[in-house]
Amino acid sequence: KNQVEQSPQSLIILEGKNCTLQCNYTVSPFSNLRWYKQDTGRGPVSLTIMTFSENTKSNGRYTATLDADTKQSSLHITASQLSDSASYICVVSAFPGYALNFGKGTSLLVTP
Amino acid sequence: DGGITQSPKYLFRKEGQNVTLSCEQNLNHDAMYWYRQDPGQGLRLIYYSQIVNDFQKGDIAEGYSVSREKKESFPLTVTSAQKNPTAFYLCASKAPGQPNYGYTFGSGTRLTVV
Repeated sequence: KNQVEQSPQSLIILEGKNCTLQCNYTVSPFSNLRWYKQDTGRGPVSLTIMTFSENTKSNGRYTATLDADTKQSSLHITASQLSDSASYICVVSAFPGYALNFGKGTSLLVTP
Repeated sequence: DGGITQSPKYLFRKEGQNVTLSCEQNLNHDAMYWYRQDPGQGLRLIYYSQIVNDFQKGDIAEGYSVSREKKESFPLTVTSAQKNPTAFYLCASKAPGQPNYGYTFGSGTRLTVV
């Protein structure tokens, strides 16, 4: 069964600090992995999309890594801001239909 | 600006009532999707449509119905057969072709049974 597990479930950090969110998956055969940011009561917004051949992808202060061999991904947030408070969702697609497999998300709270 | 518009933002349903959630996109995307989001759970696929006049059941289609008469529109009806409809509903669309094209999500509709 294709699964996507995220950790931690929730995280509280001080403004300006860095943090790393984890995503482990068993989706096979792997097509691509996406990280989304979802503000409360809003739809998810794409941060990064990575294929099998990509190890790292950045989007501003967000850097995603992918290890396709161990089926692990991480999302690193640098110099956190209050606006980073949101849920971060890892989504993995598998061939052939490219159906999306969603993680349950990590809820991040950045405090002053 | 191109995007997906979901309406209404909040919707209240009485027991035994059918309600319809609207999803409109002007991105010229062929594929459209409906997801349900419950607290502490990942998004679950209700229905999807790859082209006009065609749609397929997702993982949790029971109690829901859809139509795709126009490329731009993919309304979702929550019927009285859906026993636990209170949730956050998200509509999404995707450009055709390569799977690496990102999905675009709407802002969601929060449905509450009263």
